[in-house]
Amino acid sequence: EVQLVQSGAAVKKPGESLKISCQGSGYSFTSYWIAWVRQMPGRGLEWMGIIYPGDSDTRYSPSFQGQVTISADKSISTAYLQWSSLKASDTAMYFCARPRADGGLDVYDIWGQGTLVTVS
Amino acid sequence: DIQLTQSPSTLSASVGDRVTITCRASQSISSWLAWYQQKPGKAPKLLIYKASSLESGVPSRFSGSGSGTEFTLTISSLQPDDFATYYCHHYNTYSQTFGQGTKVGIK
Repeated sequence: EVQLVQSGAAVKKPGESLKISCQGSGYSFTSYWIAWVRQMPGRGLEWMGIIYPGDSDTRYSPSFQGQVTISADKSISTAYLQWSSLKASDTAMYFCARPRADGGLDVYDIWGQGTLVTVS
Repeated sequence: DIQLTQSPSTLSASVGDRVTITCRASQSISSWLAWYQQKPGKAPKLLIYKASSLESGVPSRFSGSGSGTEFTLTISSLQPDDFATYYCHHYNTYSQTFGQGTKVGIK
């Protein structure tokens, strides 16, 4: 079964660092992009950026460039989203998602269960 | 960056109603538009891709249309399981975006 499993909920203080993860299984992890999507409480979906684990090619939405870092460790089929200094406004649910087509920027048919980050 | 604007932001409807949601792009995106359904506390679920192609396993009461800058998602006969929030999504680009969402509630 193809799936993305995300790390558990995190509660942090402003100024702290955090790295959340998204582990893929059931498919060739290096052949598909992985995207990160933010959903603030009661708000809509926001596309943050995307990484191709095969060569670590990474692209960011202008809204998130410089605010977060997306990375991947293909040896353990895991993508990451990290912050160096959290703000209260980073409080949100974060989803990882995989496009349907290998190598392509396709629609997302596989999603992680979400990681709730609370900064307070 | 391309912006997607959905309308309405919320709507109230009854079971059996025909529901239409619109998504407008700030510039032409050809047919690179998808629709997702999201329920509270859950990940989004893909409904429609390439503007009008129905994802496998999605009921045929859902349909999509449009190209260029104007797109619609139609639910032909609203069912109890359809009360949720719907998002359009511009993909096939390194600068992707979602619409702000349309919440479909019970009248």
